Amino acid sequence: DIQMTQSPSTLSASVGDRVTITCRASQSISTWLAWYQQKPGKAPKLLIYKASTLESGVPSRFSGSRSGTEFTLTISSLQPEDFATYYCQQLNSYPYTFGQGTKLEIK
Amino acid sequence: QVQLQESGPGLVKPSETLSLTCTVSGGSISTYYWSWIRQPAGKGLEWIGRIYTSGSTNYNPSLRSRVTMSVDTSKNQFSLKLSSVTAADRAVYYCARSNYGDYAFDYWGQGTLVTVSS
Repeated sequence: DIQMTQSPSTLSASVGDRVTITCRASQSISTWLAWYQQKPGKAPKLLIYKASTLESGVPSRFSGSRSGTEFTLTISSLQPEDFATYYCQQLNSYPYTFGQGTKLEIK
Repeated sequence: QVQLQESGPGLVKPSETLSLTCTVSGGSISTYYWSWIRQPAGKGLEWIGRIYTSGSTNYNPSLRSRVTMSVDTSKNQFSLKLSSVTAADRAVYYCARSNYGDYAFDYWGQGTLVTVSS
């Protein structure tokens, strides 16, 4: 299985901050990488797919990038509604696997 | 707007079979891949497997021996069966749709909690 390792596990930040979450794949997955946002008691919501393509309706403050097997999700200016848990997912090969999650907390 | 809704028993006895159905509304179930994902309380997401509308399946090897998925295009539904459940199978179970190109899961159900207890 391809292991997806997210860092940090927890991130404390303030409204207006620029934050970056990293996800590293244990082997090459090309751009088969998606990012999701999950709020308590809710299903995950797709933010970005193909490593850097913004899902329709998602604010442009969210962006994704790739460097080899390292992927980043950047939120350019945190809004109150962005405090949630974020997951990366690889869809390069079965079984599809997720990172362990990054909880974004209010500082 | 596509909507997915999971349904099924919220309580299953140990060693029995968990059965869930996902009903798709607002769009056709055809020509898409449909997945099941689960999330134990306070933990991360685990992909269980997926099914295409032709009936072809891909399962997570960690669960393959216990998982069966099926699809009923006439009802716009697909289903999950997980046999020989234990307490470790207690989780919120989500159904989800893969987007075109299978790049991500773009629509999710709200999730349903399944508890395993006698």
